Amino acid sequence: DAKTTQPPSMDCAEGRAANLPCNHSTISGNEYVYWYRQIHSQGPQYIIHGLKNNETNEMASLIITEDRKSSTLILPHATLRDTAVYYCIVRSKGTAGANNLFFGTGTRLTVIP
Amino acid sequence: NAGVMQNPRHLVRRRGQEARLRCSPMKGHSHVYWYRQLPEEGLKFMVYLQKENIIDESGMPKERFSAEFPKEGPSILRIQQVVRGDSAAYFCASSPDQGLAKNIQYFGAGTRLSVL
Repeated sequence: DAKTTQPPSMDCAEGRAANLPCNHSTISGNEYVYWYRQIHSQGPQYIIHGLKNNETNEMASLIITEDRKSSTLILPHATLRDTAVYYCIVRSKGTAGANNLFFGTGTRLTVIP
Repeated sequence: NAGVMQNPRHLVRRRGQEARLRCSPMKGHSHVYWYRQLPEEGLKFMVYLQKENIIDESGMPKERFSAEFPKEGPSILRIQQVVRGDSAAYFCASSPDQGLAKNIQYFGAGTRLSVL
């Protein structure tokens, strides 16, 4: 699975959009970009994933560049409960359940009142 | 649909004792993963199991640690003769066999093991 690079920390004002970048310059054609987050002392939570098109769900939007070498997770209106460590993970979408997830150091997002 | 259930939430053991951590996957999920998170560190993969089979145990320490996922009942992560360095949060995740979510892992709340 391709390696990812994320800034170690970011701040965001409550109510504003939080834009979390991720570089994955060695991503290959069959690899997807997944985002998870871990709120303090809780288990990781799946947020969103995508291949090459932009994706949106009830939690967030995922913008993937045309060359797929980077992506941005957008939380449109950050709340204090969005304070967490956000992990960008790249992995192939093989057989069901195939392979583990590699959690790097992630980005610690702090939402400020 | 209940989420991934882990118990106990907190477990205290003395050095040399055994720790048994249990994980019940979400209904309809036959894939289970165990991860360990040491204090102030990220999650590290330990083992991946599918009903009655260990698929990948590349992250599991070679000694004292074992995992199983029997045909009936929860998955068990067993740590024999615990040492202080085993103190960590242990998370279990599950994923379904098929469907759009088949490559998404859903995590439990974790078991926090403290070794005295």
